[in-house]
Amino acid sequence: DAGITQSPRHKVTETGTPVTLRCHQTENHRYMYWYRQDPGHGLRLIHYSYGVKDTDKGEVSDGYSVSRSKTEDFLLTLESATSSQTSVYFCAISESDSTDTQYFGPGTRLTVL
Amino acid sequence: AQSVTQPDIHITVSEGASLELRCNYSYGATPYLFWYVQSPGQGLQLLLKYFSGDTLVQGIKGFEAEFKRSQSSFNLRKPSVHWSDAAEYFCAVGGAGGYNKLIFGAGTRLAVHP
Repeated sequence: DAGITQSPRHKVTETGTPVTLRCHQTENHRYMYWYRQDPGHGLRLIHYSYGVKDTDKGEVSDGYSVSRSKTEDFLLTLESATSSQTSVYFCAISESDSTDTQYFGPGTRLTVL
Repeated sequence: AQSVTQPDIHITVSEGASLELRCNYSYGATPYLFWYVQSPGQGLQLLLKYFSGDTLVQGIKGFEAEFKRSQSSFNLRKPSVHWSDAAEYFCAVGGAGGYNKLIFGAGTRLAVHP
């Protein structure tokens, strides 16, 4: 299994509070991704990174920001959480771009009350 | 715009029966096609992928998929389903030319009856 960890694995928070999710990899892969998974929508890309300090938006980026200061860590921040951001969040990594296999972390279940 | 459609939200089959999960895509360039599986409470795992060449692709766990360009389809098949195949299956399309985003279908949830 690819070395990908996500923390925390579960979080309950209140509307309006900031939340940061962490993705850590030990594979030295260049690309890292954050997805959210909601029933009926599959996985939707929030943001991705193609190198240290290089990031770009996905299809559902509003209300989210990311940072990547080291190859191994990719942080997802909800500046002011809303109930619509209740979801399961997955981190993924790949050596190359979307033509390459992505390896997924175990997920973080976030509940915003 | 690029998109992936999985027409079947839920499918139930009996153990030992054959399985086909449908996937249709819309993509302007040469597609890179993937099938992933997600067991309950887990992340996604790659079953197989197609880039070019032979249109029938073999994957793990006895799965195969066939790329049909004329139908814009990439259907997943298994000749004999096992109870452990119960999971959610996602088709996805990616591409070259600087397009760094993988587009997923909504998924098909497979239930297996004993």
